[in-house]
This record gives sequence, C-alpha cells and structure tokens, in this order.
Amino acid sequence: GDSVTQMEGPVTLSEEAFLTINCTYTATGYPSLFWYVQYPGEGLQLLLKATKADDKGSNKGFEATYRKETTSFHLEKGSVQVSDSAVYFCALSQNAGGTSYGKLTFGQGTILTVHP
Amino acid sequence: GAGVSQTPSNKVTEKGKYVELRCDPISGHTALYWYRQSLGQGPEFLIYFQGTGAADDSGLPNDRFFAVRPEGSVSTLKIQRTERGDSAVYLCASSATPPGRGLDTQYFGPGTRLTVL
Repeated sequence: GDSVTQMEGPVTLSEEAFLTINCTYTATGYPSLFWYVQYPGEGLQLLLKATKADDKGSNKGFEATYRKETTSFHLEKGSVQVSDSAVYFCALSQNAGGTSYGKLTFGQGTILTVHP
Repeated sequence: GAGVSQTPSNKVTEKGKYVELRCDPISGHTALYWYRQSLGQGPEFLIYFQGTGAADDSGLPNDRFFAVRPEGSVSTLKIQRTERGDSAVYLCASSATPPGRGLDTQYFGPGTRLTVL
C-alpha cells in the first residue's frame, strides 16, 4: 500500500537558519502530495500542496517541489522564525481509482523547534 | 466562520466500556473523514463518509469500531469494549467536495484525546 517516510526528528534550529525536512513516498499512480502543520495546542492545518509532477507548492515562505523521479516532496524554508516551531507532516492522497479517493496517508511527523 | 468541532476534547474511560466521539463538520461540507493519531505518529485513516454513507471504511481496525452520519452532517465514532490500545487522539476532517471532482482541502478539528485505563 501507499506510504510516506519523513526524516527522523526532532529538528532544532536557530532563527533565520535554513530548513529542510525530507519526505519520500511510495505509491501507485500519481498521488497528490501535501505538507500539514500542527502548531502547539492547535489542530492540523494544510501548509501547502502539489497535485502533479514538477509542481511547486508554497505558502508562508515554505516551499516543496513534487519530484516523481525521486518520489520526494522535501519541505524547505530559507529563514525560519520562532513562530515556525511546530510538528510538520508530509502526506499523500490518491487522485483516481477505487474508493481510496481523498483519504490522506501521513508520515510520522517531524518536530521543529526554532530558538531565538 | 466556524471550523470543524469535536466533542469531548478529552475522554477518560475504563477498559471494556463503550464510548462515543462526536464530530461537527464545517456547514455544507459533504465529505467527512475520521483519523486516529497515536503518540509520536502521524494520523491514520479510519473511515470516510460522502453524505450519509460510508464510502470507505477500510481503516477501521476491527468490528469494535463503528461510525455513523445519519443526516449527512454530524458524525459519531463509536467504540465498543474499549481496550488500552485504543488510547489515541481521534481526529475528524471535512471537505467541501467529494474527491474526484477536484481534490479539496481537508479541514481538521482539534481532536478528541481518548484515554483507556
């Protein structure tokens, strides 16, 4: 079945450092890819998404590019802030076929802590 | 506008008891999902409703778990004969359109933390 693997955490950075959180996936066909974020005490929120190969999703300074050749969707940000401290989840969803539509398959999450 | 709400926010029960967890989706959203998140893990899919019907219940772990959405809005996840391994955060999400008509964003509720003693 489908699966998502994220880099081991936690990740601790100083403010203004460069962030990369690796995500790779295993899936049949051409899934859509997502990054969700969970801030302390809050629910999961969609951060960005990409629905086909070579698409780049971006939001709040974060970016991720859908790389089908390497089955990856790595999250990057050029300069992190303390307010970016959260848990980040990579996820996929199948686009077509059967009853698997829509349901999200998540990675295990990566805890990011940014210090001033 | 109001987001997805879930009640209760916390539920503590004893092994063997029955529990019900409620989800109120965003008004007008036709698709509703339940997920379970164990400590240190990502959410795992349980069941998906389109309207009143369960379109995909492949994630329910066993027959102790059941969910309903009788009027196509509020949903209740029911767990019978609870076990300690059922302890987790149960998340509900809703989206405006059924998948297949354009992938739509799932909006998540804050979750219900279930603890089985």
